[in-house]
Amino acid sequence: EIVLTQSPGTLSLSPGDRATLSCGASHSVSSSFIAWYQQKPGQAPRLLMYGTTNRATGIPDRFRGSGSETEFTLTITRLEPEDFAVYYCQQYGYSPLTFGGGTKVEIK
Amino acid sequence: QVQLVQSGAEVKKPGSSVKVSCEASGGIFSTSAITWVRQAPGQGLEWMGGTTKNAEKFQDRVTITADESTRTAYMELSSLTSEDTAVYYCARVYGGDFFNYMDVWGKGTTVIVSS
Repeated sequence: EIVLTQSPGTLSLSPGDRATLSCGASHSVSSSFIAWYQQKPGQAPRLLMYGTTNRATGIPDRFRGSGSETEFTLTITRLEPEDFAVYYCQQYGYSPLTFGGGTKVEIK
Repeated sequence: QVQLVQSGAEVKKPGSSVKVSCEASGGIFSTSAITWVRQAPGQGLEWMGGTTKNAEKFQDRVTITADESTRTAYMELSSLTSEDTAVYYCARVYGGDFFNYMDVWGKGTTVIVSS
């Protein structure tokens, strides 16, 4: 099983700040098989990124994904009030599909 | 645009089973395209399986089926314990391919297991 470890657990930032979220994989994963999801309290997750760098429909370009093999990053270049949420990375290249433990981006 | 509508909240006794439904409206429905993910209170996301493959952790307890005629997928979990208390989400796997990302999600079904 591929274990995804997200860091930090919580990121305390202000609107307008840059957020950098990390996702480490226990084994190499093709960048084609990494996704990121955003989840707000009481809501279902929402797809943000797939294939590491591709934004899902309707996702603004302040969200950027990068990485390869065992290290992947989600960057939010300038935080908007609606971006404060929990973010999960996921690998879908190997069974079982696995998610990271999440990074909470909170208002400082 | 596909939307996934899930059945309502359930309260179950330990040892019993629960069956959650997920109806797709709009778009093309493929029985292979629906997967299930759960989230225990205050915890992260955990993949359970789809119609073609289940997570080994749930192998003996979960049955995932889908009916194309009614555009509805089902997830049945048996031998419930308090650790199965969670929100259960159905999600569409893009392109109907098992190894792909989840681009549409249902709103979730809360299952509480309590004596």
